[in-house]
Amino acid sequence: KAGVTQTPRYLIKTRGQQVTLSCSPISGHRSVSWYQQTPGQGLQFLFEYFSETQRNKGNFPGRFSGRQFSNSRSEMNVSTLELGDSALYLCASSLGFGTGSETQYFGPGTRLLVL
Amino acid sequence: AQSVTQPDIHITVSEGASLELRCNYSYGATPYLFWYVQSPGQGLQLLLKYFSGDTLVQGIKGFEAEFKRSQSSFNLRKPSVHWSDAAEYFCAVALGGSNYQLIWGAGTKLIIKP
Repeated sequence: KAGVTQTPRYLIKTRGQQVTLSCSPISGHRSVSWYQQTPGQGLQFLFEYFSETQRNKGNFPGRFSGRQFSNSRSEMNVSTLELGDSALYLCASSLGFGTGSETQYFGPGTRLLVL
Repeated sequence: AQSVTQPDIHITVSEGASLELRCNYSYGATPYLFWYVQSPGQGLQLLLKYFSGDTLVQGIKGFEAEFKRSQSSFNLRKPSVHWSDAAEYFCAVALGGSNYQLIWGAGTKLIIKP
Protein backbone atom coordinates (compact mmCIF):
# COMPACT_ATOMS: atom_id res chain seq x y z
CA LYS A 1 0.00 0.00 0.00
CA ALA A 2 1.24 3.46 -0.78
CA GLY A 3 1.90 5.66 2.20
CA VAL A 4 0.63 9.12 2.98
CA THR A 5 1.69 11.62 0.35
CA GLN A 6 1.93 15.36 0.73
CA THR A 7 2.39 18.00 -1.92
CA PRO A 8 4.27 20.15 -2.37
CA ARG A 9 7.26 19.13 -0.29
CA TYR A 10 8.72 22.61 -0.12
CA LEU A 11 7.15 26.01 -0.47
CA ILE A 12 8.36 29.58 -0.20
CA LYS A 13 5.81 32.36 0.23
CA THR A 14 5.84 35.98 1.32
CA ARG A 15 3.92 37.57 4.15
CA GLY A 16 0.29 38.24 3.36
CA GLN A 17 -0.01 35.53 0.74
CA GLN A 18 -2.08 32.42 1.15
CA VAL A 19 -1.07 28.78 0.66
CA THR A 20 -2.81 25.45 0.10
CA LEU A 21 -1.23 22.17 1.09
CA SER A 22 -2.47 18.78 -0.04
CA CYS A 23 -2.51 15.38 1.59
CA SER A 24 -3.49 12.00 0.17
CA PRO A 25 -4.08 9.39 2.89
CA ILE A 26 -3.38 5.70 2.80
CA SER A 27 -6.01 3.89 0.77
CA GLY A 28 -8.96 2.99 2.99
CA HIS A 29 -8.13 5.54 5.68
CA ARG A 30 -10.97 7.95 6.35
CA SER A 31 -9.37 10.15 8.99
CA VAL A 32 -6.82 12.84 8.18
CA SER A 33 -5.11 14.98 10.79
CA TRP A 34 -2.84 17.96 10.33
CA TYR A 35 0.00 19.05 12.60
CA GLN A 36 2.38 21.98 12.64
CA GLN A 37 5.95 21.36 13.75
CA THR A 38 8.30 24.19 14.71
CA PRO A 39 11.53 24.20 16.73
CA GLY A 40 9.98 26.45 19.35
CA GLN A 41 6.53 24.94 19.78
CA GLY A 42 7.14 21.34 18.76
CA LEU A 43 4.28 19.35 17.30
CA GLN A 44 0.90 20.98 17.56
CA PHE A 45 -2.44 19.64 16.42
CA LEU A 46 -4.26 21.71 13.82
CA PHE A 47 -7.42 19.75 12.96
CA GLU A 48 -8.80 16.35 12.11
CA TYR A 49 -11.25 15.34 9.42
CA PHE A 50 -13.26 12.19 9.15
CA SER A 51 -15.58 11.48 6.24
CA GLU A 52 -15.46 15.10 5.07
CA THR A 53 -16.37 16.49 8.52
CA GLN A 54 -14.05 18.37 10.83
CA ARG A 55 -14.30 16.50 14.12
CA ASN A 56 -11.74 18.40 16.12
CA LYS A 57 -9.70 21.56 15.91
CA GLY A 58 -6.61 22.70 17.73
CA ASN A 59 -5.87 26.13 19.10
CA PHE A 60 -4.96 27.96 15.92
CA PRO A 61 -6.39 31.17 14.48
CA GLY A 62 -9.08 31.12 11.83
CA ARG A 63 -6.47 31.79 9.15
CA PHE A 64 -5.84 28.06 9.28
CA SER A 65 -8.56 26.04 7.64
CA GLY A 66 -8.97 22.70 5.98
CA ARG A 67 -11.30 20.43 4.17
CA GLN A 68 -11.63 16.83 3.17
CA PHE A 69 -12.98 15.45 -0.05
CA SER A 70 -15.13 12.40 -0.67
CA ASN A 71 -12.04 10.37 -1.62
CA SER A 72 -10.54 11.27 1.82
CA ARG A 73 -7.90 13.53 0.33
CA SER A 74 -7.47 16.64 2.40
CA GLU A 75 -6.23 20.17 1.93
CA MET A 76 -5.26 22.78 4.43
CA ASN A 77 -5.17 26.47 3.70
CA VAL A 78 -3.37 29.25 5.47
CA SER A 79 -4.43 32.76 4.57
CA THR A 80 -2.60 36.01 5.23
CA LEU A 81 0.67 34.29 5.95
CA GLU A 82 2.85 35.50 8.82
CA LEU A 83 6.53 34.87 9.42
CA GLY A 84 5.61 32.62 12.35
CA ASP A 85 3.77 30.27 10.02
CA SER A 86 7.10 28.97 8.76
CA ALA A 87 7.05 25.33 9.79
CA LEU A 88 6.90 21.73 8.75
CA TYR A 89 3.27 20.79 8.19
CA LEU A 90 2.58 17.13 8.69
CA CYS A 91 -0.42 15.17 7.58
CA ALA A 92 -1.39 11.86 9.15
CA SER A 93 -4.04 9.34 8.22
CA SER A 94 -5.75 6.60 10.15
CA LEU A 95 -8.72 4.33 9.85
CA GLY A 96 -10.47 6.67 12.25
CA PHE A 97 -12.08 6.60 15.63
CA GLY A 98 -14.40 3.76 16.40
CA THR A 99 -12.70 1.32 14.07
CA GLY A 100 -10.34 0.08 16.74
CA SER A 101 -7.28 1.60 15.21
CA GLU A 102 -6.30 5.11 16.21
CA THR A 103 -2.78 4.65 14.89
CA GLN A 104 -1.79 7.58 12.71
CA TYR A 105 0.60 7.23 9.80
CA PHE A 106 2.46 10.31 8.71
CA GLY A 107 3.47 11.75 5.40
CA PRO A 108 6.88 13.35 4.76
CA GLY A 109 5.55 16.83 5.42
CA THR A 110 5.49 20.13 3.58
CA ARG A 111 8.13 22.59 4.63
CA LEU A 112 6.78 26.13 4.37
CA LEU A 113 9.04 29.14 4.53
CA VAL A 114 7.43 32.56 4.83
CA LEU A 115 9.63 35.51 3.92
CA ALA B 1 -4.97 18.98 31.20
CA GLN B 2 -3.45 16.08 29.36
CA SER B 3 0.29 16.29 28.80
CA VAL B 4 3.28 14.24 27.76
CA THR B 5 6.73 14.81 29.21
CA GLN B 6 10.00 13.69 27.73
CA PRO B 7 12.49 14.93 30.30
CA ASP B 8 15.62 14.48 28.19
CA ILE B 9 16.07 16.92 25.31
CA HIS B 10 19.28 15.24 24.17
CA ILE B 11 20.80 11.87 24.93
CA THR B 12 24.24 10.73 23.79
CA VAL B 13 24.94 7.00 23.63
CA SER B 14 27.90 5.03 22.32
CA GLU B 15 27.23 2.72 19.42
CA GLY B 16 26.47 -0.74 20.74
CA ALA B 17 25.34 0.53 24.13
CA SER B 18 21.84 0.17 25.49
CA LEU B 19 19.27 2.95 25.32
CA GLU B 20 16.30 4.07 27.38
CA LEU B 21 14.23 7.12 26.49
CA ARG B 22 11.78 8.30 29.09
CA CYS B 23 8.17 9.32 28.63
CA ASN B 24 5.63 10.28 31.28
CA TYR B 25 2.04 11.23 30.63
CA SER B 26 -0.79 12.86 32.45
CA TYR B 27 -4.19 11.51 31.44
CA GLY B 28 -7.22 10.46 33.43
CA ALA B 29 -8.06 7.27 31.59
CA THR B 30 -5.93 4.48 30.20
CA PRO B 31 -4.32 6.09 27.20
CA TYR B 32 -3.28 4.90 23.83
CA LEU B 33 0.48 5.42 23.71
CA PHE B 34 2.86 5.74 20.80
CA TRP B 35 6.51 6.22 20.02
CA TYR B 36 7.50 7.79 16.71
CA VAL B 37 10.92 8.51 15.23
CA GLN B 38 11.83 11.40 12.95
CA SER B 39 14.99 11.62 10.90
CA PRO B 40 16.16 15.10 9.87
CA GLY B 41 13.80 16.71 7.38
CA GLN B 42 11.52 13.71 7.35
CA GLY B 43 8.06 12.81 8.55
CA LEU B 44 7.31 10.67 11.57
CA GLN B 45 7.63 6.90 11.50
CA LEU B 46 5.71 4.76 13.96
CA LEU B 47 8.00 2.62 16.12
CA LEU B 48 5.42 0.98 18.36
CA LYS B 49 2.11 1.47 20.11
CA TYR B 50 0.26 0.37 23.22
CA PHE B 51 -3.50 0.06 23.35
CA SER B 52 -4.09 -2.64 25.96
CA GLY B 53 -2.94 -6.07 27.07
CA ASP B 54 0.70 -7.00 27.50
CA THR B 55 2.50 -4.01 28.96
CA LEU B 56 5.75 -4.80 27.13
CA VAL B 57 5.35 -4.05 23.44
CA GLN B 58 7.74 -4.80 20.64
CA GLY B 59 8.27 -2.47 17.74
CA ILE B 60 10.29 -2.12 14.61
CA LYS B 61 14.05 -1.74 14.40
CA GLY B 62 14.58 -3.72 17.63
CA PHE B 63 12.81 -1.22 19.90
CA GLU B 64 10.52 -2.10 22.76
CA ALA B 65 8.57 -0.09 25.32
CA GLU B 66 7.02 -0.87 28.67
CA PHE B 67 3.78 0.67 29.94
CA LYS B 68 3.78 1.20 33.70
CA ARG B 69 0.42 2.44 34.88
CA SER B 70 1.61 3.11 38.45
CA GLN B 71 4.33 5.43 37.16
CA SER B 72 2.35 6.86 34.21
CA SER B 73 5.31 6.00 32.06
CA PHE B 74 5.97 4.48 28.67
CA ASN B 75 9.73 4.27 28.29
CA LEU B 76 11.39 3.23 25.06
CA ARG B 77 14.34 0.83 25.11
CA LYS B 78 16.81 -0.77 22.76
CA PRO B 79 19.50 -3.21 23.91
CA SER B 80 22.15 -2.12 21.41
CA VAL B 81 22.00 1.07 19.36
CA HIS B 82 23.32 1.50 15.84
CA TRP B 83 24.57 4.70 14.24
CA SER B 84 21.44 4.69 12.06
CA ASP B 85 19.31 5.15 15.20
CA ALA B 86 20.45 8.77 15.47
CA ALA B 87 17.21 10.74 15.14
CA GLU B 88 14.59 12.49 17.21
CA TYR B 89 12.12 10.37 19.15
CA PHE B 90 8.64 11.47 20.10
CA CYS B 91 6.23 10.00 22.60
CA ALA B 92 2.52 10.67 22.07
CA VAL B 93 -0.79 10.01 23.77
CA ALA B 94 -4.01 9.65 21.82
CA LEU B 95 -7.07 11.32 23.25
CA GLY B 96 -10.21 9.50 22.32
CA GLY B 97 -13.86 10.29 22.17
CA SER B 98 -14.99 13.48 20.51
CA ASN B 99 -11.64 15.12 21.11
CA TYR B 100 -9.53 12.72 19.08
CA GLN B 101 -5.98 13.95 18.59
CA LEU B 102 -2.40 13.13 19.50
CA ILE B 103 -0.73 15.00 22.35
CA TRP B 104 3.02 15.08 21.86
CA GLY B 105 6.09 15.18 24.03
CA ALA B 106 8.79 17.68 23.14
CA GLY B 107 11.01 14.97 21.70
CA THR B 108 14.40 13.52 22.61
CA LYS B 109 17.28 13.88 20.20
CA LEU B 110 19.46 10.79 20.18
CA ILE B 111 23.14 11.27 19.36
CA ILE B 112 25.29 8.21 18.69
CA LYS B 113 29.01 8.30 19.55
CA PRO B 114 31.17 6.13 17.31
